[in-house]
Amino acid sequence: EAQVTQNPRYLITVTGKKLTVTCSQNMNHEYMSWYRQDPGLGLRQIYYSMNVEVTDKGDVPEGYKVSRKEKRNFPLILESPSPNQTSLYFCASRVGAGEQFFGPGTRLTVL
Amino acid sequence: QKEVEQNSGPLSVPEGAIASLNCTYSDRGSQSFFWYRQYSGKSPELIMFIYSNGDKEDGRFTAQLNKASQYVSLLIRDSQPSDSATYLCAAVKSRSGNTPLVFGKGTRLSVIA
Repeated sequence: EAQVTQNPRYLITVTGKKLTVTCSQNMNHEYMSWYRQDPGLGLRQIYYSMNVEVTDKGDVPEGYKVSRKEKRNFPLILESPSPNQTSLYFCASRVGAGEQFFGPGTRLTVL
Repeated sequence: QKEVEQNSGPLSVPEGAIASLNCTYSDRGSQSFFWYRQYSGKSPELIMFIYSNGDKEDGRFTAQLNKASQYVSLLIRDSQPSDSATYLCAAVKSRSGNTPLVFGKGTRLSVIA
């Protein structure tokens, strides 16, 4: 089944404790991206990647890192999480300008 | 200036009516347009995409694009309570796909039984 997977789905952590949210797609898509979604603010892009070893900042990259060592994986790293990073996070992938597929989401709470 | 704008709603329509959702975009270079539906706490799912001026129909859904007016709309005929969700409009600049998909903040639709 074609899909984007994210792990974990839910995470409660404390300020400053490094964490990684994994994202993997099995559709051989070149383009992958991370979004955060907050009430009233819609989907905001954090980082995106057009291919292996090619990443670029989105609208809200501060406090986040990403890497794209393999085509299928695009992990999101929070080196020192803060409460303002509490949010619902989505990973997505697409090929060309076609349909963008979203992962199921990761609900992160930083205390 | 926001690149893709939508009325946040809520838009309330009775069951069986036509729901009309609207979206405007500021970048004339935008090439392709997408409508996603998102239920609360769930991930967005694609309903329709449109590239060319005019109408595109798929079942109960019709997408309309007017590039001269920089306007995209989604019509939902015979609205059902299960259509109650937030609808996200998105635009992408490049047909080759090497530019980000820009989303509006979404319009919340409520279909009243």
